[in-house]
This record gives sequence, structure tokens and C-alpha cells, in this order.
Amino acid sequence: DAKTTQPPSMDCAEGRAANLPCNHSTISGNEYVYWYRQIHSQGPQYIIHGLKNNETNEMASLIITEDRKSSTLILPHATLRDTAVYYCIVPLTYNTDKLIFGTGTRLQVFP
Amino acid sequence: EPEVTQTPSHQVTQMGQEVILRCVPISNHLYFYWYRQILGQKVEFLVSFYNNEISEKSEIFDDQFSVERPDGSNFTLKIRSTKLEDSAMYFCASSEEGGGAFNEQFFGPGTRLTVL
Repeated sequence: DAKTTQPPSMDCAEGRAANLPCNHSTISGNEYVYWYRQIHSQGPQYIIHGLKNNETNEMASLIITEDRKSSTLILPHATLRDTAVYYCIVPLTYNTDKLIFGTGTRLQVFP
Repeated sequence: EPEVTQTPSHQVTQMGQEVILRCVPISNHLYFYWYRQILGQKVEFLVSFYNNEISEKSEIFDDQFSVERPDGSNFTLKIRSTKLEDSAMYFCASSEEGGGAFNEQFFGPGTRLTVL
């Protein structure tokens, strides 16, 4: 089972910031937090990852709380093409490459 | 931009038949994976492969499944005797790093397997 919990769905207006929360209260000190998304039935797409510090790339920002028990993915200016299922993933152990996908958050961006 | 490719995009087979799903990972990647997604359900890990060996496998990956990297470019998933419940989208992925280090996995577009 996934080590993360996410809300099942969220809506966001086009052009506004989408803030997707994730709880990972059992994370250990050397486990990364990964975010992927799946647009319709396509293959999952990597978005961003983090360990302790906040991270930003061309797609999104990742804010990780100081205790590392939760994080928020921020899409600063959501577009219709960002409509997808977003998965927050924490590996079951620090030395595995296996991604355990939960049910994710279905983000609907509306005009 | 380099990408993972998979063939065929859709495979229809009769129950009990063998199928081989093919993937071409990104050329400089060393770690390879298969996942599957039954319609309407979660993406599930099947197997990871590195240095011509299986690194990890899930409970789903039983004796009916096998993986191979036959020629240095292709990465295949074989299902020996398909069952109805094998119907799913199968995704191949690859990554440059692995072994527990950060690894961005690049996924292919998937092969939809339909078992009749």
C-alpha cells in the first residue's frame, strides 16, 4: 500500500495556482518524495522530487514541511492541459526503485 | 527529446496464448521497469531490471511472467499463458539512476493488452 494520502479530487480555474496536498507521516529521513502525473490513459510523467528542501523546476514547485510529514505540489499557473491525476509517491524503503502509486488526486482545470 | 517507446500499442490475444510486449528504453538508461494498470485501477509495479537481472518483483509477477533484454536495446515482457485478468495497460519505464538513489523514471505510452 502507498505511504501517502491525497484528496481524491480538486478543481482549479485556468491561470490560477493549483495547490495539491499530500500526507506522508511515516516517511523516514532518507526517503524522497516524488510527484508524477497521468494525463488520461497516458504513461505517468515525472514532475518533481524532494528530500528536505523546497524545490522548483519548470513544471512545478514542491513545498515540504520541516517535519517532512506532508508536502504540497504547486502548479503556479494551471492550464487546461494540466488536467490529470497527480500522484505523490514515497518509496516503501530507501533502497528501492519501485514506485507505489496510490489513487492520487484528480485535478480538473476549468476555463 | 529522448523517449521510451512501446510496441504494439494494442494487442488482442486469446486466453492461454503467449504474448510478448516490447519496449525500447532511453538509450543511456540502465534501469528498466514494467508496470501495469487495469482499467480504472491504480498503476501497479511488476518488475525492475538492472545489469541483466531482476532487481525486484511484485507478487503479481509470477512464473507466467518473464523479462528479457535480448539485444541491448529492447526490453521485453513475456506472459506465457494469458488469463482474462491480464487484460490491462502495460507501461515500460526506464531510468538513468537506480538502486535507491533518486531516479526519474521515464514511462512509455503503454501497450493495451486485451485477453479474450
